[in-house]
This record gives sequence, structure tokens and C-alpha cells, in this order.
Amino acid sequence: GAVVSQHPSRVICKSGTSVKIECRSLDFQATTMFWYRQFPKQSLMLMATSNEGSKATYEQGVEKDKFLINHASLTLSTLTVTSAHPEDSSFYICSARGRGLRQPQHFGDGTRLSIL
Amino acid sequence: AQKVTQAQTEISVVEKEDVTLDCVYETRDTTYYLFWYKQPPSGELVFLIRRNSFDEQNEISGRYSWNFQKSTSSFNFTITASQVVDSAVYFCALSEAPGGGADGLTFGKGTHLIIQP
Repeated sequence: GAVVSQHPSRVICKSGTSVKIECRSLDFQATTMFWYRQFPKQSLMLMATSNEGSKATYEQGVEKDKFLINHASLTLSTLTVTSAHPEDSSFYICSARGRGLRQPQHFGDGTRLSIL
Repeated sequence: AQKVTQAQTEISVVEKEDVTLDCVYETRDTTYYLFWYKQPPSGELVFLIRRNSFDEQNEISGRYSWNFQKSTSSFNFTITASQVVDSAVYFCALSEAPGGGADGLTFGKGTHLIIQP
């Protein structure tokens, strides 16, 4: 089946640093990728949608300058949390979908980000 | 706007008991898709089922079964003869398209299921 690899699975860093999370589709071309955030014991909330070759669309309340999304190829999307602070600590999950709205969505295993 | 409500925040049962997780949804779309995912403590999302709005047949997969009722906008999930390995957070989700549409999936808040030995 389709596989989405997300890396790193866990990261701990100091406040003020920038953290990059990668999401790769391993055996299909992901024309659309979604980034979700999940706070402890909370639901998954969509942060942004990115289509290959175009700018990401951010959900209301998500700062695009803080959460930089790059979907430069059909197999890779990156989320960079810039100048991370403790309140950015969360579980980030990406998902990828092939061309067309009827294609299923495949989730990565998530990245647990802890900002000290 | 779409909305998914999982009113049960946490359910605790003893192993081998049957348990039903409730999911109620709201959407203005005539065509939509409903999903259930399992999230074990390790965090990854495990896909369980996808059902489109035109198919109201109940589905059974081993110990899992789903009851979709458009009349009550519900898509409930039942685990029969529960096992400790079923302990996880379960999310119900909604989308206007099979793959999450243009706007991804709308998730409920999840139900934390605890199966005690």
C-alpha cells in the first residue's frame, strides 16, 4: 500500500530554534499534502494544505510566517517551525494524496515536537 | 461548515465486553465520506474504514462493525469482545471527498478507549 514517511519522529530543541519536518510519499506522487497539529489529548486540526508547485493555503489562525510549508516536488513537503517556542510543542502529522480528489489520503506517523 | 461530534471523551470497559463509540456529524454536502481512525499511544493514525454517504449498509470486519444512519447523521463504531490491544484514541472524521477533499479531513475530538484486563 501507499506509504508516507515523516521525519523526524521526535525532536527536542531549545526555544528560538527553527525545526524542519519532512513528509515524503514513498511510492506515489503526492500532488496534495496536508499538515495537521494535535495538542495533547486534543483532536487533529488542519493547519495548511499544500499543492505541488504552488503556495500553501493556511487555515484561519495559523501563522504562515511561523509555519513555513514548502511542497517543492511531488514526493516531498516540508514544514518548518521558525523560532519555535514552548507553545509550539505539539504532535504534527502530515498526510499525502495523489492526483484527484478521489484518491485516498495517507498519513505519516507524526512528529512529536518538544520545545524547551 | 462541517462538524464531527464524539461526545464520549473516555470509555473504560473490561476486556471481552462489547463497546460502541458514537459519532455524529454535520454537513451541508449531499455527497460526503466518513472515516474512523485509531491512534495508539505511539501516535500514528491507523485507517479503519471509509464510508460514502450513499452506502448505508452496515459493515463488519472481524470484531469491528460500523452502523451508518443518515437519518440521525450518525456513524457509530462497535468493537465486539474487546481486547487490551484495542486501547487507543479513536477518531471519527468527515470529508466531502474520498481523499479528504480540498480541505483535508474534519476530525472529531476523539474517544479514548481503555480496555482493562
